[in-house]
Amino acid sequence: EDKVVQSPLSLVVHEGDTVTLNCSYEVTNFRSLLWYKQEKKAPTFLFMLTSSGIEKKSGRLSSILDKKELFSILNITATQTGDSAIYLCAVGYGQNFVFGPGTRLSVLP
Amino acid sequence: GAGVSQSPSNKVTEKGKDVELRCDPISGHTALYWYRQRLGQGLEFLIYFQGNSAPDKSGLPSDRFSAERTGESVSTLTIQRTQQEDSAVYLCASSWPGGPTDTQYFGPGTRLTVL
Repeated sequence: EDKVVQSPLSLVVHEGDTVTLNCSYEVTNFRSLLWYKQEKKAPTFLFMLTSSGIEKKSGRLSSILDKKELFSILNITATQTGDSAIYLCAVGYGQNFVFGPGTRLSVLP
Repeated sequence: GAGVSQSPSNKVTEKGKDVELRCDPISGHTALYWYRQRLGQGLEFLIYFQGNSAPDKSGLPSDRFSAERTGESVSTLTIQRTQQEDSAVYLCASSWPGGPTDTQYFGPGTRLTVL
């Protein structure tokens, strides 16, 4: 069964901390791995990863994929209260996507 | 339009009534997805449309749920005889499989409350 697992499911940190969110997967015909941030209703796109070992970076966020070990991490440095959200990992396979349960990040002032 | 739109944004209905949720994907996106997200839970895949191919209905939870798509445009998700457990946010997303970004673009969702 195709699945995506994220950990931790919930995380509480203080502003300025660095966090690492994990996503592991088991799918056939892997195509891509995507990270989303969901604050209210609609998730917003963060990164798409298709190749191992190539870090993608956007401001304080970065992500990398390991296709051998079947996982990805999302790093957020110098966290801010505005980073509080659910972070979703999704894996594209065949013609579809499967989502993980998400990690709920709370950043306290 | 610039993005995926959904209507209504909120829907309150009584148990047993039928509801229709609408999704307008980004123009040119051949793939369209419906998801359900219950409070505090992850995204649950419902149905996937790709061009003129037969839709993948494997995620529909019961025969009360159905969806249609007109060509590569608007889609309607219908829930018949709604139950309280149907209360959730229903998200629609569209994408261009094999395109340069291979990214799903989500609509704002419809929050359904079944009393």
